[in-house]
Amino acid sequence: DQQVKQNSPSLSVQEGRISILNCDYTNSMFDYFLWYKKYPAEGPTFLISISSIKDKNEDGRFTVFLNKSAKHLSLHIVPSQPGDSAVYFCAAANINMEYGNKLVFGAGTILRVKS
Amino acid sequence: DTGVSQDPRHKITKRGQNVTFRCDPISEHNRLYWYRQTLGQGPEFLTYFQNEAQLEKSRLLSDRFSAERPKGSFSTLEIQRTEQGDSAMYLCASSSHESAEAFFGQGTRLTVV
Repeated sequence: DQQVKQNSPSLSVQEGRISILNCDYTNSMFDYFLWYKKYPAEGPTFLISISSIKDKNEDGRFTVFLNKSAKHLSLHIVPSQPGDSAVYFCAAANINMEYGNKLVFGAGTILRVKS
Repeated sequence: DTGVSQDPRHKITKRGQNVTFRCDPISEHNRLYWYRQTLGQGPEFLTYFQNEAQLEKSRLLSDRFSAERPKGSFSTLEIQRTEQGDSAMYLCASSSHESAEAFFGQGTRLTVV
């Protein structure tokens, strides 16, 4: 039962253009969403997050959009740089400040930024 | 503090042997998580500690797996009688009580031959 889905296994983008990575979820209890970036042989690195009370969060070149009615979120990277080439994971959580927040991850999207 | 630290980075073991991995979280974080990642998949939750208490375990965590966090600082994950299906990247993450963002270590790559 995949509660978080990233339907595009890979994406190739030209340097300087926009990269859009998509993520869908099925569990309506999720109320916090995160994006992680992962290079080979390293652990995931936190990028950006968004609470379900918002529909947009921006941090530099990275913007995450959340559409709760569609249970869909997307990560926009603009402009894309060759160093952005990595695997990007979408993750979701049901926030519980008392008992912690386990993350449910998608399978990831490989982003290749061509120079 | 340099972040979450895991040891060893790589482990090759023969089937049937026991292995133990260590995780040192970010020092001010009271929450610690173990995840497992296999090729082509995202990390899957295994277990979670708040301070020294193990509060949740995934059904993925069979009886051969045990995790501890004595004194609420570092944590160990032990796998007994390893099987080839245990081959994976084992990731540790930590977070503070106030934040949902988890910060990951570099992982331990286990290969069971």
